[in-house]
Amino acid sequence: SQQGEEDPQALSIQEGENATMNCSYKTSINNLQWYRQNSGRGLVHLILIRSNEREKHSGRLRVTLDTSKKSSSLLITASRAADTASYFCATDAMAGGSYIPTFGRGTSLIVHP
Amino acid sequence: EPEVTQTPSHQVTQMGQEVILRCVPISNHLYFYWYRQILGQKVEFLVSFYNNEISEKSEIFDDQFSVERPDGSNFTLKIRSTKLEDSAMYFCASSDIRTSGPYEQYFGPGTRLTVT
Repeated sequence: SQQGEEDPQALSIQEGENATMNCSYKTSINNLQWYRQNSGRGLVHLILIRSNEREKHSGRLRVTLDTSKKSSSLLITASRAADTASYFCATDAMAGGSYIPTFGRGTSLIVHP
Repeated sequence: EPEVTQTPSHQVTQMGQEVILRCVPISNHLYFYWYRQILGQKVEFLVSFYNNEISEKSEIFDDQFSVERPDGSNFTLKIRSTKLEDSAMYFCASSDIRTSGPYEQYFGPGTRLTVT
């Protein structure tokens, strides 16, 4: 399956530090997405990066994609306590016109004030 | 900003009972989805729905599950005879293929289903 697996499983940092989370997957993809999930809440879409892109930025977020290594990273710069959440990558599988994302287990990020 | 809403936020039911989870997708979206997340585990795709029919479904989405768009705004997931292992958080999502494509899905806050 096109399964994304995040690494590390848990990350604890101080406010102001950068946080880097990685995602590895097994087979070719069309795109990869990163989501955030606050405790007990739904998923919030952060960034989509297509297979022909290598890097993408959105505010304090930077996502890279290395299709040769089948991996992606999410960097949060100058982290804030409000960034505390679980972060998931999702890889795609187009089937019959629908997009079926496959989520990893997530990285639990704690940012200490 | 428009958002996906889900009701109820928490549903407790006895094993064998039927439950209906309700979602109101973003109004101009055309693709609808249900996912579930068992506590501490991955978010898993259940089913996608487009043009009033199921587009895709996973192996989890067996005969006990059904989806319906009973009117122009609601999207429901029915579990016919709940089992203990159906206890999970159920998320609804929608997307607008015409603007962001099917990829950017907007998730609701979820319904926590507890089967006792």
